[in-house]
Amino acid sequence: DGGITQSPKYLFRKEGQNVTLSCEQNLNHDAMYWYRQDPGQGLRLIYYSQIVNDFQKGDIAEGYSVSREKKESFPLTVTSAQKNPTAFYLCASSIPPGRENYGYTFGSGTRLTVV
Amino acid sequence: QKEVEQNSGPLSVPEGAIASLNCTYSDRVSQSFFWYRQYSGKSPELIMSIYSNGDKEDGRFTAQLNKASQYVSLLIRDSQPSDSATYLCAVIKAGGYQKVTFGTGTKLQVIP
Repeated sequence: DGGITQSPKYLFRKEGQNVTLSCEQNLNHDAMYWYRQDPGQGLRLIYYSQIVNDFQKGDIAEGYSVSREKKESFPLTVTSAQKNPTAFYLCASSIPPGRENYGYTFGSGTRLTVV
Repeated sequence: QKEVEQNSGPLSVPEGAIASLNCTYSDRVSQSFFWYRQYSGKSPELIMSIYSNGDKEDGRFTAQLNKASQYVSLLIRDSQPSDSATYLCAVIKAGGYQKVTFGTGTKLQVIP
């Protein structure tokens, strides 16, 4: 079955530690996204990539980094510079906007907690 | 003013009733509109998209778009307890990357 796989489901980060969240898709989608969801704030865009080897900052990129070396993979690193990383992280992918049946397919999410 | 605004709810409706969820957006050049359903602790799933003024029906769901008034709504007929979730409105603005902006969601509770 096609879909997006995020791992791990739960992640605990110590102060000053970098952690990497995995996102893999087998939908053959060109575009991939990372969102952060906090209670009462909706989804906020961290980074997006419309094609392999290219990515752009979203609205809240500070303290995060990404790579897009393969079409299927878009890992997100939460660095120690991100001072408030506790949140629910969602990876999504899509076909290009404007095409029929456009819409995001989301992974199941990673819940990150600072300990 | 938020780009996409939704009443956070909760909106409570009895089982079998029509649930009406509303969303307003601020940018007149917005061109694509989506409704996602998110169960507690889960990721959002796309349930409806609408691109032109009027109504679009899919099973028990009807999306309504009024670009002149800058609002989009979602009607759920014959509401079921399994419809209890948070519904996110999402909007794409024209031009450039065509960024998707999400509202904060309306929590719907269907009372058996």
